[in-house]
Amino acid sequence: EVVMTQSPATLSVSPGERATLSCRASQSVSTNLAWYQQKPGQAPRLLIYGTSIRATGIPDRFSASRSGAEFTLTIGSLQSEDSAVYYCQQYNNRPWTFGQGTKVEI
Amino acid sequence: QVQLQESGPGLVKPSETLSLTCTVSAGSMSSFYWNWIRQSPGKGLEWIGYSYFSASTNFGSTNDNPSLESRVTISIDTSKNQFSLKLTSVTAADTAVYYCARGFHGLDVWGQGTTVTVSS
Repeated sequence: EVVMTQSPATLSVSPGERATLSCRASQSVSTNLAWYQQKPGQAPRLLIYGTSIRATGIPDRFSASRSGAEFTLTIGSLQSEDSAVYYCQQYNNRPWTFGQGTKVEI
Repeated sequence: QVQLQESGPGLVKPSETLSLTCTVSAGSMSSFYWNWIRQSPGKGLEWIGYSYFSASTNFGSTNDNPSLESRVTISIDTSKNQFSLKLTSVTAADTAVYYCARGFHGLDVWGQGTTVTVSS
């Protein structure tokens, strides 16, 4: 199966700053990658699919890109409500797999 | 707006079958992928599988995670707007929060999750 490796495990950022989260796939997943945000006690929420397409209702401070096998989620101008765990997920190869998450602390 | 709600027993005995149902409100189930995902502290988020059905083509398919060793059955009941998960021969390792979710290119609608504990 495709192993998704996220870094860093924890990211501490001040309000208004930018956060950059990384996700690397152990093999090609083409552009079939999604990003999710999960807050304590809640289900994950889809932020990005197709590597860089924002899901409905997601603010434009969330953006994402790809460089080879490395995928990046950027949260520009962090707000307090962005404190959460962020997961990447590939849906190119079954079984679909998730990264272990990056915790963003504001 | 589509909403999903999981239901089922919160406690299952080892070696028995875990059965959960996800009720889909406000919308057709046809032509969507319906998934089960679980989350445990030890294994993070794990995709269990999906079921798909198209009413227009009468085509359906299912797929599940090989790591679950053929213990999974996912089925759709369009008459009730529900889909279900059956996981046989459970052990303590199957203790997790179970989520149902819709989607293929990203999982865009999720249930709130239900905690299932495997214990005698």
